[in-house]
Amino acid sequence: DAKTTQPTSMDCAEGRAANLPCNHSTISGNEYVYWYRQIHSQGPQYIIHGLKNNETNEMASLIITEDRKSSTLILPHATLRDTAVYYCIVSPPTGLYSSASKIIFGSGTRLSIRP
Amino acid sequence: DGGITQSPKYLFRKEGQNVTLSCEQNLNHDAMYWYRQDPGQGLRLIYYSQIVNDFQKGDIAEGYSVSREKKESFPLTVTSAQKNPTAFYLCASSREFLYEQYFGPGTRLTVT
Repeated sequence: DAKTTQPTSMDCAEGRAANLPCNHSTISGNEYVYWYRQIHSQGPQYIIHGLKNNETNEMASLIITEDRKSSTLILPHATLRDTAVYYCIVSPPTGLYSSASKIIFGSGTRLSIRP
Repeated sequence: DGGITQSPKYLFRKEGQNVTLSCEQNLNHDAMYWYRQDPGQGLRLIYYSQIVNDFQKGDIAEGYSVSREKKESFPLTVTSAQKNPTAFYLCASSREFLYEQYFGPGTRLTVT
């Protein structure tokens, strides 16, 4: 099962871009990279996912390296409300009876935004 | 409003009692999941269901049971066989299995 490695904690100044790295060197060719975040004592929130190409939505951008062994989540203009634990996970492709590989949410990166 | 609900938010039980946690979604999602989170830790998968009337064990299924009789409901029973049941329990659903997951607010279970 592909596992991810993230820094334990990071901080960023409010209004600046927050760049959160993730290593997934054992990722398989058809596995996706997903990012979620969890604000204290709440359920996690989906942010973005990608396979090979860079992706952008209203919340963030996801940059995946060409060899797919690492990725970076970018929050372009961090606010205090972005303070949370950010999880990077690797997931098999979707679909009925897809692989039962484990979905591993590690300890994530605790992002603190400085005013 | 579409969403996923869990009840209750806090639950207290005595050791040796079974307890059932509720999870309901009105997103018309096929897949549903149960996770457990201990303080300062990530999420661990307990059970998941890809479609109604079907479910599979996750990483830490021992001491837990589930049912999926209706598409919108996926209750989790924490049995007396679960050695350390005190934890934060999160339910999630997704349109297809392993697609982006929507999480409920969680139930914090304390067993004494």
